[in-house]
Order: sequence, then structure tokens, then C-alpha cells
Amino acid sequence: AQSVAQPEDQVNVAEGNPLTVKCTYSVSGNPYLFWYVQYPNRGLQFLLKYITGDNLVKGSYGFEAEFNKSQTSFHLKKPSALVSDSALYFCAVRPRPGNTPLVFGKGTRLSVIA
Amino acid sequence: NAGVTQTPKFQVLKTGQSMTLQCAQDMNHEYMSWYRQDPGMGLRLIHYSVGAGITDQGEVPNGYNVSRSTTEDFPLRLLSAAPSQTSVYFCASSADRRRYEQYFGPGTRLTVT
Repeated sequence: AQSVAQPEDQVNVAEGNPLTVKCTYSVSGNPYLFWYVQYPNRGLQFLLKYITGDNLVKGSYGFEAEFNKSQTSFHLKKPSALVSDSALYFCAVRPRPGNTPLVFGKGTRLSVIA
Repeated sequence: NAGVTQTPKFQVLKTGQSMTLQCAQDMNHEYMSWYRQDPGMGLRLIHYSVGAGITDQGEVPNGYNVSRSTTEDFPLRLLSAAPSQTSVYFCASSADRRRYEQYFGPGTRLTVT
């Protein structure tokens, strides 16, 4: 069965420092991978996705993620964190081919401290 | 474009009551889904639909019904509310179910007492 693990419930980083939010996945085939962000009292917003091609994917608000097939990981990164990046981040996976819905991780709360 | 809209934003129910959470999208998306979000549990899929007239169960379907009579609307019905259904409910839609870039509504916060 497909699954997503976000091993850290909380990540704290100082403003201006690089940030990483970790995600590992388990699927039977090659996956579609996604990152979403949720600000307080809001719905989820799409950040970026990996479908095929370059392992480094660039997304909204300066975020990027690196797909690593051998480590089955899709970590979210940003070179310089902003206080406004503080939010809840979700990794999601869907195997392909197939028609199964997205599976979300449990989320990682990012706190950027000024 | 309003995107994905959900009503109501907040609701309090007593155990045993029924209600319908409304979801609508104006993007002509084929795929729609309902999730519930609970602390420490992430998002769990309740039901989804790949087009008008077609629905299927997700991970946690018990106690919920859905129907999809039009492309725009995908209501979620709670048949007999239970405290375990206290949660935040999100509706989402996607133009292409394979690529799954989903657009989420603002959510409905439901409390069952």
C-alpha cells in the first residue's frame, strides 16, 4: 500500500537560514509527488510537484524539492527562510499508473523564528 | 472565479443529527474529493468522484454519504452525527485526476456534542 512519512512533527529554523522539511514515500511504482502548505484557518495550497524529468523541482514562494528515487525521498527546501513561511506543510503521493487518490502525510509544522 | 467554495464555515451538531456540507467549484473540474483533517492525522480521504454520477469510497467513508449530480457540486452528508466526526472538513477539486494538482476549499469546522 502507498504511504507517506513526514518524520518530523515540528521544524524550527531561524529567519534567513536554509530550511528542509523531510518526506519519504512508499509506493509500488514510480510516484507523482506533491507538497502543499496550509496557513492557519485556511485550506491547503499547492506548492510544487514532481511528475517526471529533473529531480530538482522548483515551486511557489522560492521553495524547491529534490526527488531521490534510491532513498524514496522528496524533501522540501528553501535557501533562506522567512517568518511568513511558518505554516503546516504536507507531502502527498500518488503512484502511477493507476487511479488511486492522493495519500497525504501527517504534516510538519514549520516555525521560522525572527 | 471563486474556485472551491464550502458552506457552512462552522457548524455545531448534536449526536444523532444529520446535515449536509456543501461544496461547489466553478472551474469545470472532473475530479472532486472530501477529506477530514484531525490533529496528528493529516488529511484522510472520505469519498471522491471522478465525474458527475460517479463516486467512490476513500479511506474513512463510514458515516458519510456523497452524490455527484452535477460537475459543479459535491455535497457530503452526515447521516447520524457522532462525536468522532468532530473535525475540519475540506473539499478539493482537480482538472486532471492523474496529475492531482488539487485546489482546496477553505474548510468547514464541525463539532458534534
